[in-house]
Amino acid sequence: GEDVEQSLFLSVREGDSSVINCTYTDSSSTYLYWYKQEPGAGLQLLTYIFSNMDMKQDQRLTVLLNKKDKHLSLRIADTQTGDSAIYFCAESMGGGNKLTFGTGTQLKVEL
Amino acid sequence: DVKVTQSSRYLVKRTGEKVFLECVQDMDHENMFWYRQDPGLGLRLIYFSYDVKMKEKGDIPEGYSVSREKKERFSLILESASTNQTSMYLCASSQNRSPYEQYFGPGTRLTVT
Repeated sequence: GEDVEQSLFLSVREGDSSVINCTYTDSSSTYLYWYKQEPGAGLQLLTYIFSNMDMKQDQRLTVLLNKKDKHLSLRIADTQTGDSAIYFCAESMGGGNKLTFGTGTQLKVEL
Repeated sequence: DVKVTQSSRYLVKRTGEKVFLECVQDMDHENMFWYRQDPGLGLRLIYFSYDVKMKEKGDIPEGYSVSREKKERFSLILESASTNQTSMYLCASSQNRSPYEQYFGPGTRLTVT
């Protein structure tokens, strides 16, 4: 299958911005997603971006998509301790309803 | 709110036992999925179903089977549990239309001894 890659860990100070990066491989992906997993819970959709967009902003979240480099990023402004979680990027394979998830990035927010 | 429930949060089974993991969703979603989550490997798709009695293999189906007799319920079966199946198992469901958001259950942490 296709690989979606992320770095495993990121540590930031409270109030700083966090940037989580992802590279994907399926150029036909219609949607790309960011999911959040809090400790002891399942995944929850944070945001998604349609493949014909370059950027999407939603309150503290900014998603950037570079289709040429197959690179997706999630920026969290003013990171809070409640943002500590694992963040997964995902792509819709062939534009359909089957998703391929990345390895996940553990975000730790320090005081 | 969409709700996806899984039958157990924690499960301990012995090698060779048959194990059933149940998942129920209450939003009439067409699609249902079973993943396993392992550190450093992310989520890997085991099986998915896009309709009652329909199933398709995911990326790692070996050692697993599934059953979908009713639209709201999707079961994962380990015919003969092995220690390398110790993992977190996550169920998800989605509608069959874009953006295909998947809703997840809380997960079942299975330990096979």
